[in-house]
Amino acid sequence: DVKVTQSSRYLVKRTGEKVFLECVQDMDHENMFWYRQDPGLGLRLIYFSYDVKMKEKGDIPEGYSVSREKKERFSLILESASTNQTSMYLCASSLGRPSNSPLHFGNGTRLTVT
Amino acid sequence: GNSVTQMEGPVTLSEEAFLTINCTYTATGYPSLFWYVQYPGEGLQLLLKATKADDKGSNKGFEATYRKETTSFHLEKGSVQVSDSAVYFCALMRETSGSRLTFGEGTQLTVNP
Repeated sequence: DVKVTQSSRYLVKRTGEKVFLECVQDMDHENMFWYRQDPGLGLRLIYFSYDVKMKEKGDIPEGYSVSREKKERFSLILESASTNQTSMYLCASSLGRPSNSPLHFGNGTRLTVT
Repeated sequence: GNSVTQMEGPVTLSEEAFLTINCTYTATGYPSLFWYVQYPGEGLQLLLKATKADDKGSNKGFEATYRKETTSFHLEKGSVQVSDSAVYFCALMRETSGSRLTFGEGTQLTVNP
């Protein structure tokens, strides 16, 4: 079974702090994704990556950056946290081929910015 | 652009009732369609998928048929259980989207004993 592990279930940070959310997958998947989940909005894609050191903007990248130095690890960075970034963050991974391979999700990190 | 619209929730049913959660989509080409389920406190799990028109995905008693003529992928189950209480997400993946999923808003289902 694919396992996607997010390092924290709950985080509380202050406005202006730099925040790192870590995600690791153990199935040698090429693709990795960061989504945020908000009530009434479903899941929205922040950033994704098809390979090491590659990154692509999703639908809502503003205020975020990412890092993928190793294939199994994909980090989401909030350079200066703001209260409107309070949300549930979900990491996911998938095989590169076939291109419609399903995504496997971690259990999420609930971030509160005060 | 791509979009997915789900029926508004929350949905509350009694055990053994019939379930339908409507999902319609807008996309060019021939997207793959998915249903994911999120149990309380957990991430999303793939429930079922269909990759071409008229395909039927099924799992754990749930079914959905890819209807291109109505651009729909409605989720059904003949007899729900309390353990089916969760949030259900419909999603699409376009062939040219590079494995990106576009999600609906999610539908909260509560099943009472």
